Amino acid sequence: GAVVSQHPSRVICKSGTSVKIECRSLDFQATTMFWYRQFPKQSLMLMATSNEGSKATYEQGVEKDKFLINHASLTLSTLTVTSAHPEDSSFYICSAIRSSYNSPLHFGNGTRLTVT
Amino acid sequence: AQKITQTQPGMFVQEKEAVTLDCTYDTSDQSYGLFWYKQPSSGEMIFLIYQGSYDEQNATEGRYSLNFQKARKSANLVISASQLGDSAMYFCAMRFDTGRRALTFGSGTRLQVQP
Repeated sequence: GAVVSQHPSRVICKSGTSVKIECRSLDFQATTMFWYRQFPKQSLMLMATSNEGSKATYEQGVEKDKFLINHASLTLSTLTVTSAHPEDSSFYICSAIRSSYNSPLHFGNGTRLTVT
Repeated sequence: AQKITQTQPGMFVQEKEAVTLDCTYDTSDQSYGLFWYKQPSSGEMIFLIYQGSYDEQNATEGRYSLNFQKARKSANLVISASQLGDSAMYFCAMRFDTGRRALTFGSGTRLQVQP
């Protein structure tokens, strides 16, 4: 069964509004979670690393004021897309990792965001 | 530069045949991990198989095996006895030995299994 739950799976919002996406690890504590973005027919690009109890680490070119990440507990990370614009429309997918170095990332089912 | 390359944008295979999906990488790290994921049209990312750089034997998981050639820096995925449900995008990914545990993904290969 799924070990990472992501909600919502699909959201449509108007330009200028904010959208919050939740990512939960269901059966293990995840001190680190990762947020990826995937444009149509493209690969997954890492946006940021979410660290429990501390600030997220953003990849180069990702606006931290636009993509707010909060990792308040060992099982929950949230990504808020603030003042969304049509170019933010994409597939956002979170992942969590168990403790060991050779552990795979466990992914949520993703959120398809459409900004109109 | 650390990079993952998948040179096959799309592949076709007949049902019940075997298929090899190519993946090459570039790194100067000695310790790294290689992963393959399957992404069906629904979008979820399904972990298939893992190979560590120090593993001497090629990894196998059911119908999936990894043809790991360290000197050539390649980690090709072999799917045996293809099934219609194998039609999906396949991504090769790598964890470099930088202390970060995020994965870097290749561009993907779309596999279509034909009846």
